[in-house]
Amino acid sequence: GNSVTQMEGPVTLSEEAFLTINCTYTATGYPSLFWYVQYPGEGLQLLLKATKADDKGSNKGFEATYRKETTSFHLEKGSVQVSDSAVYFCALSDFPGYNQGGKLIFGQGTELSVKP
Amino acid sequence: GAVVSQHPSWVICKSGTSVKIECRSLDFQATTMFWYRQFPKQSLMLMATSNEGSKATYEQGVEKDKFLINHASLTLSTLTVTSAHPEDSSFYICSARDWRGSSYNSPLHFGNGTRLTVT
Repeated sequence: GNSVTQMEGPVTLSEEAFLTINCTYTATGYPSLFWYVQYPGEGLQLLLKATKADDKGSNKGFEATYRKETTSFHLEKGSVQVSDSAVYFCALSDFPGYNQGGKLIFGQGTELSVKP
Repeated sequence: GAVVSQHPSWVICKSGTSVKIECRSLDFQATTMFWYRQFPKQSLMLMATSNEGSKATYEQGVEKDKFLINHASLTLSTLTVTSAHPEDSSFYICSARDWRGSSYNSPLHFGNGTRLTVT
Protein backbone atom coordinates (compact mmCIF):
# COMPACT_ATOMS: atom_id res chain seq x y z
CA GLY A 1 0.00 0.00 0.00
CA ASN A 2 0.88 3.67 -0.10
CA SER A 3 3.28 4.90 2.54
CA VAL A 4 5.53 7.79 3.50
CA THR A 5 8.88 7.54 5.27
CA GLN A 6 10.65 10.47 6.87
CA MET A 7 14.04 10.80 8.45
CA GLU A 8 13.97 10.30 12.17
CA GLY A 9 14.28 13.19 14.54
CA PRO A 10 14.84 15.10 16.55
CA VAL A 11 16.92 17.36 14.38
CA THR A 12 18.77 20.07 16.26
CA LEU A 13 20.29 23.00 14.37
CA SER A 14 21.76 26.36 15.15
CA GLU A 15 20.03 29.46 13.84
CA GLU A 16 20.85 30.23 10.19
CA ALA A 17 21.92 26.64 9.49
CA PHE A 18 20.77 24.80 6.38
CA LEU A 19 17.92 22.35 6.85
CA THR A 20 17.10 19.17 4.99
CA ILE A 21 14.41 16.74 6.10
CA ASN A 22 14.25 13.67 3.90
CA CYS A 23 10.98 12.19 2.77
CA THR A 24 10.40 9.25 0.44
CA TYR A 25 7.15 7.69 -0.58
CA THR A 26 5.62 4.57 -2.06
CA ALA A 27 2.49 5.01 -4.11
CA THR A 28 0.59 3.75 -7.08
CA GLY A 29 -0.60 6.27 -9.60
CA TYR A 30 0.28 9.93 -9.27
CA PRO A 31 -0.21 11.22 -5.75
CA SER A 32 0.07 14.78 -4.61
CA LEU A 33 2.70 15.48 -1.97
CA PHE A 34 2.53 17.83 1.00
CA TRP A 35 4.54 19.13 3.90
CA TYR A 36 2.61 20.08 7.02
CA VAL A 37 3.98 21.78 10.14
CA GLN A 38 2.72 21.37 13.68
CA TYR A 39 3.68 23.88 16.34
CA PRO A 40 3.49 22.79 19.98
CA GLY A 41 -0.08 22.22 21.14
CA GLU A 42 -1.58 23.09 17.79
CA GLY A 43 -3.09 21.31 14.82
CA LEU A 44 -1.42 20.96 11.46
CA GLN A 45 -0.83 23.75 9.00
CA LEU A 46 -0.08 23.26 5.35
CA LEU A 47 3.45 24.41 4.58
CA LEU A 48 3.72 23.58 0.88
CA LYS A 49 2.53 21.17 -1.75
CA ALA A 50 3.35 19.72 -5.18
CA THR A 51 0.86 17.97 -7.40
CA LYS A 52 3.00 16.50 -10.17
CA ALA A 53 6.51 15.38 -10.98
CA ASP A 54 9.18 18.10 -11.00
CA ASP A 55 6.85 20.59 -9.32
CA LYS A 56 8.52 22.66 -6.63
CA GLY A 57 6.45 23.77 -3.67
CA SER A 58 7.68 26.73 -1.66
CA ASN A 59 6.54 28.84 1.26
CA LYS A 60 8.18 30.90 4.03
CA GLY A 61 11.64 30.07 2.73
CA PHE A 62 10.96 26.32 2.71
CA GLU A 63 10.92 24.37 -0.54
CA ALA A 64 10.56 20.81 -1.75
CA THR A 65 10.68 19.28 -5.22
CA TYR A 66 8.55 16.33 -6.32
CA ARG A 67 11.05 13.78 -7.65
CA LYS A 68 9.28 10.88 -9.24
CA GLU A 69 12.48 9.12 -10.30
CA THR A 70 13.66 8.89 -6.70
CA THR A 71 10.16 8.93 -5.15
CA SER A 72 11.26 11.74 -2.86
CA PHE A 73 10.01 15.09 -1.59
CA HIS A 74 12.77 16.42 0.65
CA LEU A 75 12.13 19.60 2.60
CA GLU A 76 14.85 22.27 2.57
CA LYS A 77 15.43 25.72 3.97
CA GLY A 78 18.56 27.74 3.51
CA SER A 79 18.62 29.49 6.88
CA VAL A 80 16.46 28.30 9.75
CA GLN A 81 15.16 30.47 12.57
CA VAL A 82 14.23 29.67 16.16
CA SER A 83 10.59 30.18 15.18
CA ASP A 84 10.88 27.24 12.76
CA SER A 85 11.07 24.83 15.70
CA ALA A 86 8.16 22.46 15.21
CA VAL A 87 7.27 18.98 13.98
CA TYR A 88 7.20 18.56 10.22
CA PHE A 89 5.09 15.94 8.49
CA CYS A 90 5.44 14.73 4.93
CA ALA A 91 2.21 13.40 3.43
CA LEU A 92 0.72 12.11 0.23
CA SER A 93 -2.82 12.29 -1.02
CA ASP A 94 -4.21 8.87 -1.62
CA PHE A 95 -6.10 8.38 -4.84
CA PRO A 96 -9.66 9.07 -3.79
CA GLY A 97 -12.92 7.48 -4.42
CA TYR A 98 -15.87 9.86 -4.55
CA ASN A 99 -16.90 9.20 -0.99
CA GLN A 100 -13.39 9.28 0.38
CA GLY A 101 -12.59 12.82 -0.64
CA GLY A 102 -8.92 11.94 -0.71
CA LYS A 103 -7.21 10.71 2.45
CA LEU A 104 -3.82 11.91 3.54
CA ILE A 105 -1.16 9.39 4.49
CA PHE A 106 1.41 10.84 6.83
CA GLY A 107 5.00 10.10 7.57
CA GLN A 108 5.99 9.71 11.19
CA GLY A 109 6.99 13.34 11.61
CA THR A 110 10.37 14.95 12.23
CA GLU A 111 10.89 17.21 15.20
CA LEU A 112 13.07 20.23 14.48
CA SER A 113 14.67 22.24 17.25
CA VAL A 114 16.53 25.42 16.33
CA LYS A 115 18.83 26.93 18.94
CA PRO A 116 19.79 30.62 19.03
CA GLY B 1 -8.77 31.09 3.56
CA ALA B 2 -10.69 28.02 4.59
CA VAL B 3 -10.98 27.49 8.33
CA VAL B 4 -11.83 24.43 10.35
CA SER B 5 -12.86 24.99 13.95
CA GLN B 6 -12.57 22.22 16.52
CA HIS B 7 -14.09 22.36 19.98
CA PRO B 8 -13.19 21.93 22.75
CA SER B 9 -9.46 22.45 22.53
CA TRP B 10 -8.94 20.40 25.64
CA VAL B 11 -11.10 18.30 27.93
CA ILE B 12 -10.57 16.29 31.08
CA CYS B 13 -13.10 13.62 31.94
CA LYS B 14 -13.50 10.74 34.35
CA SER B 15 -13.19 7.16 33.27
CA GLY B 16 -16.51 5.75 32.08
CA THR B 17 -17.96 9.02 30.84
CA SER B 18 -18.49 10.08 27.23
CA VAL B 19 -16.96 13.07 25.50
CA LYS B 20 -18.11 14.81 22.33
CA ILE B 21 -15.74 16.70 20.07
CA GLU B 22 -17.07 19.02 17.36
CA CYS B 23 -15.49 19.87 14.05
CA ARG B 24 -16.92 22.69 11.95
CA SER B 25 -15.97 24.08 8.57
CA LEU B 26 -16.54 27.80 8.99
CA ASP B 27 -16.62 29.17 5.48
CA PHE B 28 -17.06 26.18 3.23
CA GLN B 29 -19.14 23.04 2.97
CA ALA B 30 -17.42 19.77 3.69
CA THR B 31 -19.10 16.62 2.46
CA THR B 32 -16.19 14.66 3.84
CA MET B 33 -14.26 15.15 7.05
CA PHE B 34 -11.49 13.05 8.52
CA TRP B 35 -10.74 12.23 12.13
CA TYR B 36 -7.16 11.55 13.22
CA ARG B 37 -5.62 10.50 16.48
CA GLN B 38 -2.11 11.46 17.47
CA PHE B 39 -0.07 9.92 20.26
CA PRO B 40 2.79 11.89 21.83
CA LYS B 41 5.72 12.29 19.46
CA GLN B 42 4.03 10.12 16.83
CA SER B 43 2.35 10.64 13.52
CA LEU B 44 -1.33 11.08 12.85
CA MET B 45 -3.35 7.90 12.60
CA LEU B 46 -6.48 8.14 10.49
CA MET B 47 -9.41 6.85 12.52
CA ALA B 48 -12.32 7.33 10.19
CA THR B 49 -13.75 9.19 7.24
CA SER B 50 -16.94 11.05 8.03
CA ASN B 51 -19.43 11.40 5.19
CA GLU B 52 -22.34 13.81 5.37
CA GLY B 53 -25.64 11.98 5.38
CA SER B 54 -24.19 8.49 5.59
CA LYS B 55 -22.26 6.23 7.91
CA ALA B 56 -18.65 6.89 8.65
CA THR B 57 -15.96 4.64 7.21
CA TYR B 58 -13.65 3.38 9.93
CA GLU B 59 -10.06 2.31 9.50
CA GLN B 60 -9.04 -1.17 10.45
CA GLY B 61 -8.65 -1.62 14.17
CA VAL B 62 -10.76 1.38 15.17
CA GLU B 63 -13.79 0.48 17.27
CA LYS B 64 -16.83 2.06 15.69
CA ASP B 65 -18.95 1.53 18.80
CA LYS B 66 -16.43 3.35 20.92
CA PHE B 67 -15.72 6.24 18.59
CA LEU B 68 -19.10 7.38 17.32
CA ILE B 69 -19.02 9.74 14.38
CA ASN B 70 -21.95 11.80 13.20
CA HIS B 71 -21.82 14.09 10.19
CA ALA B 72 -25.07 15.92 10.72
CA SER B 73 -24.65 18.70 8.20
CA LEU B 74 -22.30 19.94 5.50
CA THR B 75 -20.42 21.99 8.08
CA LEU B 76 -20.43 19.83 11.20
CA SER B 77 -19.00 16.46 12.18
CA THR B 78 -18.82 15.16 15.73
CA LEU B 79 -16.70 12.48 17.34
CA THR B 80 -18.00 10.98 20.58
CA VAL B 81 -15.65 8.90 22.66
CA THR B 82 -17.97 6.63 24.60
CA SER B 83 -17.15 5.14 28.00
CA ALA B 84 -13.74 6.73 27.89
CA HIS B 85 -10.78 5.09 29.58
CA PRO B 86 -7.28 6.40 30.31
CA GLU B 87 -5.90 4.67 27.22
CA ASP B 88 -8.19 6.89 25.12
CA SER B 89 -6.23 9.92 26.27
CA SER B 90 -4.77 11.44 23.13
CA PHE B 91 -4.79 14.38 20.75
CA TYR B 92 -7.70 14.18 18.30
CA ILE B 93 -7.60 16.22 15.12
CA CYS B 94 -10.23 16.69 12.45
CA SER B 95 -9.77 17.87 8.90
CA ALA B 96 -11.86 18.75 5.89
CA ARG B 97 -11.27 19.44 2.23
CA ASP B 98 -12.60 22.58 0.58
CA TRP B 99 -13.82 21.42 -2.80
CA ARG B 100 -14.68 24.85 -4.13
CA GLY B 101 -13.13 25.27 -7.54
CA SER B 102 -10.39 22.74 -6.84
CA SER B 103 -9.48 19.17 -7.54
CA TYR B 104 -9.14 16.20 -5.26
CA ASN B 105 -5.52 17.19 -4.87
CA SER B 106 -6.35 20.33 -2.95
CA PRO B 107 -4.99 20.16 0.58
CA LEU B 108 -6.89 19.36 3.70
CA HIS B 109 -7.58 22.03 6.30
CA PHE B 110 -7.06 20.95 9.87
CA GLY B 111 -8.64 21.91 13.13
CA ASN B 112 -6.37 22.83 16.01
CA GLY B 113 -7.03 19.54 17.75
CA THR B 114 -8.56 18.44 21.04
CA ARG B 115 -6.43 17.22 23.91
CA LEU B 116 -8.43 14.54 25.74
CA THR B 117 -7.29 13.41 29.17
CA VAL B 118 -9.20 10.62 30.88
CA THR B 119 -8.56 10.25 34.59
